[in-house]
Amino acid sequence: GAGVSQSPSNKVTEKGKDVELRCDPISGHTALYWYRQRLGQGLEFLIYFQGNSAPDKSGLPSDRFSAERTGESVSTLTIQRTQQEDSAVYLCASSLGGNRGLGYGYTFGSGTRLTVV
Amino acid sequence: AQSVTQPDIHITVSEGASLELRCNYSYGATPYLFWYVQSPGQGLQLLLKYFSGDTLVQGIKGFEAEFKRSQSSFNLRKPSVHWSDAAEYFCAVGARTGANNLFFGTGTRLTVIP
Repeated sequence: GAGVSQSPSNKVTEKGKDVELRCDPISGHTALYWYRQRLGQGLEFLIYFQGNSAPDKSGLPSDRFSAERTGESVSTLTIQRTQQEDSAVYLCASSLGGNRGLGYGYTFGSGTRLTVV
Repeated sequence: AQSVTQPDIHITVSEGASLELRCNYSYGATPYLFWYVQSPGQGLQLLLKYFSGDTLVQGIKGFEAEFKRSQSSFNLRKPSVHWSDAAEYFCAVGARTGANNLFFGTGTRLTVIP
């Protein structure tokens, strides 16, 4: 598509429930990233996908968090047994692949605002 | 490891005044450098980037930034601020080899007063 699309834009869930967040990257962007932005804070790296390579999961805060991406298409970030501290805006971004592609920067989606009550 | 410092959490300027937002980074070589802007309730938009070559880079909305290797800085400037520039600004750094993700600073919130 023309831009990075994220859904839903807002999600309110009860503590302990599982949630799935979706990201549809720009066509042709082989790299896809998930970040978390807590209220008033900067961006916290979660996970990175590059084509069919094994993802870089080094930023995932706990085993309740997981993400999948099939090839160079849509990605889903899943949070199991949500906690109140998971409340944040979850941002997805895509870019051309590799270090050289990184030099062109990311294109971000508008984010999913997750509220755990 | 890479890191980015934005020492100013919040800056207030008058409309029409000049602006400089500071960004310092820690990295062993010359990184890729970026400034992003986030308006309330929006995602992040790329303002400008340093890839290579001229150390003074021009971006959208009248912004510019200068890469100073000796100071490990990439400060963002605008000669005359408009009310619509009120937003959160993030500096980011990326490696030319190795890690393929960007590291972001904690952001500077800009308030513009009439």
